[in-house]
Amino acid sequence: EAGVVQSPRYKIIEKKQPVAFWCNPISGHNTLYWYRQNLGQGPELLIRYENEEAVDDSQLPKDRFSAERLKGVDSTLKIQPAELGDSAVYLCASKGQMGSYEQYFGPGTRLTVT
Amino acid sequence: AQKVTQAQTEISVVEKEDVTLDCVYETRDTTYYLFWYKQPPSGELVFLIRRNSFDEQNEISGRYSWNFQKSTSSFNFTITASQVVDSAVYFCALSELRYSSASKIIFGSGTRLSIRP
Repeated sequence: EAGVVQSPRYKIIEKKQPVAFWCNPISGHNTLYWYRQNLGQGPELLIRYENEEAVDDSQLPKDRFSAERLKGVDSTLKIQPAELGDSAVYLCASKGQMGSYEQYFGPGTRLTVT
Repeated sequence: AQKVTQAQTEISVVEKEDVTLDCVYETRDTTYYLFWYKQPPSGELVFLIRRNSFDEQNEISGRYSWNFQKSTSSFNFTITASQVVDSAVYFCALSELRYSSASKIIFGSGTRLSIRP
């Protein structure tokens, strides 16, 4: 079974530029999460999807961040415009059906904003 | 509010030594899950274990063991006879079960474990 796939693995952009990250969860996993992990810290939730519905986006900075999961499968996280403080690893995770509690993570996208 | 504290920022031991990673949590919920994840240099978080708040039985899996003590709000992780491949950052995490399915996971800041040959 393939794991969570993310691309790109690395991205370097200048501040004020837009950037997008893509995630394909494990097949059949209805719940998808985007996390941000700053250097030396644990992941922090940005947004959670149940199928195509965003059910928890309270931590998403909505002025510059957006996300979508149009068909309830893969998802895109966008930042526009990027700021220096957005440099971090962006992790995607997925979880199976109700009653399943473990989240499975992708390798992440390391974003550097210069 | 929920919080996970991993007071040990970095630990370095010589191969074959035993090492314990500490985790202390705070929650007002009576029902919750605790997790340990491993993050090797490749960056992908690897799930190690899940423990629910009603099950205080310790668990052993090969060289790994976990000690859950509700009275002290701790969920410590011990690696016996450590190996170089155990070198990674380890995260303890807590999840509420308010909606009958774990939703939000709160991670600690991680402990960087280095095993020297």
